[in-house]
Amino acid sequence: GAGVSQSPRYKVAKRGQDVALRCDPISGHVSLFWYQQALGQGPEFLTYFQNEAQLDKSGLPSDRFFAERPEGSVSTLKIQRTQQEDSAVYLCASSSGTYNEQFFGPGTRLTVL
Amino acid sequence: QKEVEQDPGPLSVPEGAIVSLNCTYSNSAFQYFMWYRQYSRKGPELLMYTYSSGNKEDGRFTAQVDKSSKYISLFIRDSQPSDSATYLCAMSAHGNNRLAFGKGNQVVVIP
Repeated sequence: GAGVSQSPRYKVAKRGQDVALRCDPISGHVSLFWYQQALGQGPEFLTYFQNEAQLDKSGLPSDRFFAERPEGSVSTLKIQRTQQEDSAVYLCASSSGTYNEQFFGPGTRLTVL
Repeated sequence: QKEVEQDPGPLSVPEGAIVSLNCTYSNSAFQYFMWYRQYSRKGPELLMYTYSSGNKEDGRFTAQVDKSSKYISLFIRDSQPSDSATYLCAMSAHGNNRLAFGKGNQVVVIP
C-alpha cells in the first residue's frame, strides 16, 4: 500500500517568504508527527497530532512555525517569514497508535536563500 | 548536552564484516529504543524496536539495550554493500511519544 507522502519534495524560498509543506499520512493512521532534520544531524521533534488534535507542539522553534491537521488526515506545516536557519529537511511520520512504529515520508528539503 | 549521543564519525568496513554501532543517553525515562536506517534523500526506515533492557535479533541485525549503563547497540552481521546508509538510534519515554534521535552514523560497506 501507499506510504507517507510529502510535497513538495524540494522547496527554495527567499528569506521572508512564507512556505507550506504538506504531509499525506498512511490511511487510517491516527498519529502524525513532524520532525526537522538539519544537515548531518538526526531528526528533531517539532509537533504531534492525534487525529485533528495537536497534542504536543513543544518542539516548534518559534511562533513562525504553525501546523494543522483539520480533518485528522492530511497535515500542513507552515513557516512564516522564512529565515536561513530554517533550511533543513522536514520529515513527516505517521503511526497507527501512540507507541507503534512511526513510518516516515521522504521529507521536504527546504532551502532558504 | 543532548539527550542522545551518537558518535557521527563515518564507518567503512569490508563486505562480510560485522558493523557495531552504539548510542548513549541521559534520560532515564526512556523505555522504547529503536534503530532506523536512512538512505540518502530518503526518510528513516525502522530496523529494530526494543522495549526496556535486553537483546533482540532479526536476521543479520541484533539490538542490545543496557538501561543500567544507558547504552544501546546495533550489530550487523555479514554486512552487504546494500547496508551502506546512515543509521540513527532513537528512543522515547512512556507517556511521551516524541522520538529523540542521535546524530546518525554513516556506514559504508566496501565490496
